[in-house]
Amino acid sequence: AQSVTQPDIHITVSEGASLELRCNYSYGATPYLFWYVQSPGQGLQLLLKYFSGDTLVQGIKGFEAEFKRSQSSFNLRKPSVHWSDAAEYFCAVGAWGGGGNKLTFGTGTQLKVEL
Amino acid sequence: NAGVMQNPRHLVRRRGQEARLRCSPMKGHSHVYWYRQLPEEGLKFMVYLQKENIIDESGMPKERFSAEFPKEGPSILRIQQVVRGDSAAYFCASSPGRDRGPLDYGYTFGSGTRLTVV
Repeated sequence: AQSVTQPDIHITVSEGASLELRCNYSYGATPYLFWYVQSPGQGLQLLLKYFSGDTLVQGIKGFEAEFKRSQSSFNLRKPSVHWSDAAEYFCAVGAWGGGGNKLTFGTGTQLKVEL
Repeated sequence: NAGVMQNPRHLVRRRGQEARLRCSPMKGHSHVYWYRQLPEEGLKFMVYLQKENIIDESGMPKERFSAEFPKEGPSILRIQQVVRGDSAAYFCASSPGRDRGPLDYGYTFGSGTRLTVV
C-alpha cells in the first residue's frame, strides 16, 4: 500500500524568502504524485502533479516540485514566498488499479508567512 | 461550467441524529469519491461510487456510514446516529469514468461539508 510522509508540521518563512516543503512517499511502482493547497475553511486546490516525463514539474502560483526516485521524494519549492501563500499544503500519491484510483494524503504542512 | 458542488457547507447535528451530505459531480461526470478530513489530519479516502453502484468502500467505517449515487440526483453520504468523533470536513471529488481520469488530471474537489456534532 502507498503512504506519504510530510515531516514538517509547521513551517514559518519571511515574505520574499525561498520555500521548500518536503514530501516522501512509499509506493512499489512509479506513482502519481500531487501537491494541493488548502486555505482555511476551503477545499483543496491542485498546485501540480507528476507521473512521468521531466522530473521538474511547474505548477500554478509560481510553485514547482522535483521528483527524485532515488530518494522517494517530491519536494515542493517556491523561490519567493508571498504573504498570500500562507495555507496548508498536502502531498498525495495516487495509485491506479483494483477498484479505482484513490489518493493517499500526507498529514499536511502548515505554512506561515511573516511580513 | 460548475465544479463539484457540495451542500450544505456547514452542518450541525446533535449526538444521535442523522447527517446527510450531498455531492453533485461536475457536469458529465458519473463517478464520485468521498474523503474525510479529521482535525489536524490529511484527507482519507472513504468510498468510490459510480451511478447506482459502489465500486470501493474500503475506507468506510463499518457501522453507521453509508453512501449512494442514484441514477438521478446527487451522491449522498449518510451518517446515522452521529457521535462527536464524526466531526470533520467531508470532501467529494468526481471523474468522468472508470479510468485514469483523476490521476491524469488530478482530482477536483468540492468545497466540502463541515460537520459539527454537539
